[in-house]
Amino acid sequence: KQEVTQIPAALSVPEGENLVLNCSFTDSAIYNLQWFRQDPGKGLTSLLLIQSSQREQTSGRLNASLDKSSGRSTLYIAASQPGDSATYLCAVSETSGSRLTFGEGTQLTVNP
Amino acid sequence: EAQVTQNPRYLITVTGKKLTVTCSQNMNHEYMSWYRQDPGLGLRQIYYSMNVEVTDKGDVPEGYKVSRKEKRNFPLILESPSPNQTSLYFCASTELGSQQETQYFGPGTRLLVL
Repeated sequence: KQEVTQIPAALSVPEGENLVLNCSFTDSAIYNLQWFRQDPGKGLTSLLLIQSSQREQTSGRLNASLDKSSGRSTLYIAASQPGDSATYLCAVSETSGSRLTFGEGTQLTVNP
Repeated sequence: EAQVTQNPRYLITVTGKKLTVTCSQNMNHEYMSWYRQDPGLGLRQIYYSMNVEVTDKGDVPEGYKVSRKEKRNFPLILESPSPNQTSLYFCASTELGSQQETQYFGPGTRLLVL
């Protein structure tokens, strides 16, 4: 059974710092991996999706990498801003149309 | 605007009183699903649907029903809610067979069962 773990569970940083969020999964046979952002009282917003054949994806200040063989992904946030404060969730799917298996998230606080 | 909508956003009810949470998407997606989010347990899939009239159980289907009569709608039905169904519920959709299958989530429905 696929399990997804995110470390750290919570992170507090000063504005401007570059930071890395970690995600690991137990079964390397994945279809894709998605990083989401969750704000209090709001739904999940997809940030980046990495297909199993890809190594990384970039969007603005965000970069996600995938090492499928070792079961790891990292989300790199450059020059963090207070508006980045949210919970970041990692999720994997194992086949097309299968459910997402989520980690419990990293709660990020960026202090002005 | 492409979106997934859910109603209601907040609901307080009592044990045993049937309720329905609606979900609608305007992206013509075949695949829709329901998740619940609980502290310490994360998000878990309740039910999913691959297309109209095609539904199947996820990881935690007990106490829930769904239907998919139209492509855009996927309501979640609690026939006899119990306090252990107090949770935050999310509906999601995606286009099967697309290059990436990005999942789009609704804003969530916070349910309290007394």
